[in-house]
Amino acid sequence: EDKVVQSPLSLVVHEGDTVTLNCSYEVTNFRSLLWYKQEKKAPTFLFMLTSSGIEKKSGRLSSILDKKELFSILNITATQTGDSAVYLCAVEAGGTSYGKLTFGQGTILTVHP
Amino acid sequence: DTGVSQNPRHKITKRGQNVTFRCDPISEHNRLYWYRQTLGQGPEFLTYFQNEAQLEKSRLLSDRFSAERPKGSFSTLEIQRTEQGDSAMYLCASSSRDRGSYEQYFGPGTRLTVT
Repeated sequence: EDKVVQSPLSLVVHEGDTVTLNCSYEVTNFRSLLWYKQEKKAPTFLFMLTSSGIEKKSGRLSSILDKKELFSILNITATQTGDSAVYLCAVEAGGTSYGKLTFGQGTILTVHP
Repeated sequence: DTGVSQNPRHKITKRGQNVTFRCDPISEHNRLYWYRQTLGQGPEFLTYFQNEAQLEKSRLLSDRFSAERPKGSFSTLEIQRTEQGDSAMYLCASSSRDRGSYEQYFGPGTRLTVT
């Protein structure tokens, strides 16, 4: 069965800090890994990663995938209170189940002013 | 608004009643997914459609759950004889194979409370 584990489960920081969120996975026939941000509503898409070692970047957020070690990290630099949210990691299986996402439990990030 | 929409946003029902939720995907997205999310957990896959065909159902989806996408556009998820354990947020997402990827975009969800 496909499995995604995120760590830490929660994190409290102050504005301006840099944070690193971790995601490890086990999936049959890996296709992609996705990061989502969830505030008190539906998850919003951040990144999709398919290739090892290629960093994806959007503003203060960046992410990278290691397909050999089966993990990904999401970095947020110069955190702001608006970054407070649950960050979800998900893996997409390929083969006959392609498109189906398996999510981790999420990391709750709280940024204090 | 051209995003994924879901109705109703909230539903409170008594145990044993049937409920039906609707999802309208982003226009021309050929894939539609249903997930369930409980407090403190990530979304769990329930089922998905490509156009009108239901391609996979999770073993989480008991016989009391049924989903349809009759014309390959909107979808409905029905839960019969609701139980308290069905209380959760039901999320719908849609995607299309633009640029070779299947990025899924989520709707606001329907929060179900079974009393």
